[in-house]
Amino acid sequence: QVQLVQSGAEVKKPGASVKVSCKASRKTFTGYYVHWVRQAPGQGLEWMGWINPNSGATKYAQRFQARVTMTRDTSISTAYMELSRLRSDDTAVYYCARGLYGSGSFIFRIFDPWGQGTLVIVSS
Amino acid sequence: EIVMTQSPATLSVSPGERATLSCRASQSVSSDLAWYQQTLGQAPRLLIYSASTRATGIPARFSGSGSGTEFTLTISSLQSEDFAVYYCQQFNTWPLTFGGGTKVEIK
Repeated sequence: QVQLVQSGAEVKKPGASVKVSCKASRKTFTGYYVHWVRQAPGQGLEWMGWINPNSGATKYAQRFQARVTMTRDTSISTAYMELSRLRSDDTAVYYCARGLYGSGSFIFRIFDPWGQGTLVIVSS
Repeated sequence: EIVMTQSPATLSVSPGERATLSCRASQSVSSDLAWYQQTLGQAPRLLIYSASTRATGIPARFSGSGSGTEFTLTISSLQSEDFAVYYCQQFNTWPLTFGGGTKVEIK
């Protein structure tokens, strides 16, 4: 059973950048898309984008396009999400989640499993 | 973007009772709809995808239905571990979007 283990909590100042990591527990890392979803305190879920670990291709939600970069290091089965020019409203738990694998061209857009989440606090 | 609206925001149910949660899309998403459960302090967990397919390991008391713009998640007999927040998500169109959630609480 695949597990996704994320890096620890971060405290950043406004205007700084944060880089969150997501390590997969199995060698099939390159076979599945990795999505990033965030959740502000007491709020709902917001999809940020995905990376294809095999090719490095990415797709970002438009609202994050200018500030987010998703990368991966296949040698250590790890995906990264970097968010720049942080603002106080970027304070949230950031989750990575693997895209489901199966028949159907949209199946990879379903999230299972999820990492445990990384709390990012942006405060001066 | 497609706006997902869930109702009610909070549902009070007694253990053993049936719970029915609704999710509406602002435009058709076909059957490209998933449901997730999130308990306090935990990451979400996939329950249902493609509107009605249970994910691996999900008990049969969870069922999903609907297509187009109207979807329903039914929990046939609530267990203590089912009291949580439930989110729907459309995966038909970019950007992927979630509903605001329904909290199922103990009555």
